[in-house]
Amino acid sequence: NAGVTQTPKFQVLKTGQSMTLQCAQDMNHEYMSWYRQDPGMGLRLIHYSVGAGITDQGEVPNGYNVSRSTTEDFPLRLLSAAPSQTSVYFCASSYYRDTVNEKLFFGSGTQLSVL
Amino acid sequence: AQSVTQLDSQVPVFEEAPVELRCNYSSSVSVYLFWYVQYPNQGLQLLLKYLSGSTLVKGINGFEAEFNKSQTSFHLRKPSVHISDTAEYFCAVSLKAAGNKLTFGGGTRVLVKP
Repeated sequence: NAGVTQTPKFQVLKTGQSMTLQCAQDMNHEYMSWYRQDPGMGLRLIHYSVGAGITDQGEVPNGYNVSRSTTEDFPLRLLSAAPSQTSVYFCASSYYRDTVNEKLFFGSGTQLSVL
Repeated sequence: AQSVTQLDSQVPVFEEAPVELRCNYSSSVSVYLFWYVQYPNQGLQLLLKYLSGSTLVKGINGFEAEFNKSQTSFHLRKPSVHISDTAEYFCAVSLKAAGNKLTFGGGTRVLVKP
């Protein structure tokens, strides 16, 4: 059982480049989300999805796009990378019920540097 | 909006000594509370959570936390730490009826020394 798989593990971009961070889960989870982790700031929610075809913004969505065409995949797109997007990115998934908080399963992260 | 403050950014502790990690939150409505742990080069794992009921919550690996509504705190404790407890610990809250959107604190790095 692979759980939540993120690729790539490391990436270096130049300012202005675009790229997609991949996230896939094999647990049939309805809920998927992207967080960025910065020193001293914990994790901040970028975007999330409660099912295929449904996405919404989190706390820090600017500069990022998402889509959810299947239950399994939730890619995060950086449209025009900026040094402020240097961070570690985590994808997380769970079952979803809107009145109960379910346990989140995290991927191992993608370390992104924007020069 | 809710927020979470972890008062200690780093906590050094000797092996077999007790440890307490402090977490305070602010919210105008009821919340769920969580502690997650991140071992080096890994994603986060759930240690324990408080949804309702008993204010003392027991989690994995011998950790426990106590919810104190009057002090809006959710401190994490372990009576005797091991070298393997070296990790970063995150306190988090979510609003009830808000699904799985978590607000995390800044994290506390625990370094267990032999």
